Amino acid sequence: NAGVMQNPRHLVRRRGQEARLRCSPMKGHSHVYWYRQLPEEGLKFMVYLQKENIIDESGMPKERFSAEFPKEGPSILRIQQVVRGDSAAYFCASSPGTQYNEQFFGPGTRLTVL
Amino acid sequence: AQKVTQAQTEISVVEKEDVTLDCVYETRDTTYYLFWYKQPPSGELVFLIRRNSFDEQNEISGRYSWNFQKSTSSFNFTITASQVVDSAVYFCALRGIIQGAQKLVFGQGTRLTINP
Repeated sequence: NAGVMQNPRHLVRRRGQEARLRCSPMKGHSHVYWYRQLPEEGLKFMVYLQKENIIDESGMPKERFSAEFPKEGPSILRIQQVVRGDSAAYFCASSPGTQYNEQFFGPGTRLTVL
Repeated sequence: AQKVTQAQTEISVVEKEDVTLDCVYETRDTTYYLFWYKQPPSGELVFLIRRNSFDEQNEISGRYSWNFQKSTSSFNFTITASQVVDSAVYFCALRGIIQGAQKLVFGQGTRLTINP
């Protein structure tokens, strides 16, 4: 039973490029969460999605960031025109549904913006 | 607003010593969940425990134990007879039922170093 999968594990982008981070939830999980961990800080919630719906995006920066969780395929966190301050570890978590309280985390994608 | 405070930024002890990591939280929810996660040097997040607000029993799992005190809004984590493999960053997290029901609110983390 595979866990939450994220790819790539490491991503290097130059300023102004786009970054696409992918997350495949655990089998049977229809809820996905994205968190960001800046260097030497705790994780901060970004967005919560269910299939084809954004439920809570209160933690998403207003510009350049978007997320989707299509009916088929992984969830995508997209960062347009990256800046150095976007360098961080981005973690995806999934859960089976609202009645469950454990969120199972993926290994993270470490984004470095040069 | 919900908040988790881990006042200890870094702790360093010698192997076999006991060590306690403090966690204090704030929430207006009457029902909520508390968590501890471990982040070893490899970077992944490892789930350690979940505690419901209506269950104040302490828990022990091997060398790990957790002390939940609702009266002081604390959920402390103790490692007994620490080992070098316990070296990691430890995060305490809170999840409410009403306020931001689906998101975890993390503390800043405590970096624990166990020296041989």
